[in-house]
Amino acid sequence: QKEVEQDPGPLSVPEGAIVSLNCTYSNSAFQYFMWYRQYSRKGPELLMYTYSSGNKEDGRFTAQVDKSSKYISLFIRDSQPSDSATYLCAMMVTSGSRLTFGEGTQLTVNP
Amino acid sequence: ETGVTQSPTHLIKTRGQQVTLRCSSQSGHNTVSWYQQALGQGPQFIFQYYREEENGRGNFPPRFSGLQFPNYSSELNVNALELDDSALYLCASSLRLSGNEQFFGPGTRLTVL
Repeated sequence: QKEVEQDPGPLSVPEGAIVSLNCTYSNSAFQYFMWYRQYSRKGPELLMYTYSSGNKEDGRFTAQVDKSSKYISLFIRDSQPSDSATYLCAMMVTSGSRLTFGEGTQLTVNP
Repeated sequence: ETGVTQSPTHLIKTRGQQVTLRCSSQSGHNTVSWYQQALGQGPQFIFQYYREEENGRGNFPPRFSGLQFPNYSSELNVNALELDDSALYLCASSLRLSGNEQFFGPGTRLTVL
């Protein structure tokens, strides 16, 4: 069993839709949770990071962490075609240590 | 502020050869991590360097080795290349060992024939 599970999609939505991306994990030692966006043939770009449980909002993006359920989410409001990319969740046990990634979810936002 | 850069952008090698990939950290960053990303998969941690010392290693064989230099740039060396080594190799730098945010370079795409 993988430490981090993420539905690879693909996910296709119309422009303006609310997108929900999710990951589950099995290692209860994870404390730091990130979401990266990766465009085709590019390196991952950090979107959001959260420490422990709770919500964090940045513009159209909201990250949620529920450690009791070992479940994290990323919500994208008013999705745009430029949001079309692969979204990777990632986690760390301690700050600055290795990142453990999910498989990534491929998102397409259609104009 | 200069971001993380990697070279070369892509290269093609044959099975059994050796390859060296290079990474320049973001200005001021002293920690470098290397990841392997196979097609359609998430990145897998190879190892991390902090102040020229290896500081953690993933589940990769010894033929994967690395270096970090005094200016915090880094190299990833892979010996005896195998077909399964074909992947995007990503370098990520962070400000210090306890830095939450790891910033990735564009990657080097390696194809092994």
